[in-house]
Amino acid sequence: AQKVTQAQTEISVVEKEDVTLDCVYETRDTTYYLFWYKQPPSGELVFLIRRNSFDEQNEISGRYSWNFQKSTSSFNFTITASQVVDSAVYFCALPGAGSYQLTFGKGTKLSVIP
Amino acid sequence: DSGVTQTPKHLITATGQRVTLRCSPRSGDLSVYWYQQSLDQGLQFLIQYYNGEERAKGNILERFSAQQFPDLHSELNLSSLELGDSALYFCASSVGGSKDEQFFGPGTRLTVL
Repeated sequence: AQKVTQAQTEISVVEKEDVTLDCVYETRDTTYYLFWYKQPPSGELVFLIRRNSFDEQNEISGRYSWNFQKSTSSFNFTITASQVVDSAVYFCALPGAGSYQLTFGKGTKLSVIP
Repeated sequence: DSGVTQTPKHLITATGQRVTLRCSPRSGDLSVYWYQQSLDQGLQFLIQYYNGEERAKGNILERFSAQQFPDLHSELNLSSLELGDSALYFCASSVGGSKDEQFFGPGTRLTVL
């Protein structure tokens, strides 16, 4: 079965620090997609990125970057120069085997202190 | 704004009651998913519909049911409510299947007293 592990339950950083959120996954699929979502204090879930297992190149979007390493089954998320608005719970997710729903990790709560 | 709408935003009811949560997917999306988020269980998939048909079932209780209508909106019915059903219920939509990103609605916070 699919499994997503986010070992960091909570992280606190001071504004402008860089922070990396870890995600380790398990799947028997040979091709798959990985996702990151953000849940700010307001509660909605915001899509951040979708990654295809074929493509192991790092992706950068502004202050956000993602490091996908198939060899270690990891898909880590780095925020550079963190800001207070980055405070949220971040979820890593993987589609279920042979089906369509997402299996989510438990999430990492990031607090950015001014 | 994801384009997915959910009503109501908040719902407070008593044990034993029945409620209906409503979701309208993004324009053009055929798949609708329902998820439950609680403190102890995290985000859990309940059920998925694709173009009106049930496609996948997760940890959905028998007291819960859902449907997707011809206009693609979906409803999640929760009956014989228990205290433990208090949670945030999300609806998400996508164009098709597992390779497509799912866009989430704002959620319905259900409180069972």
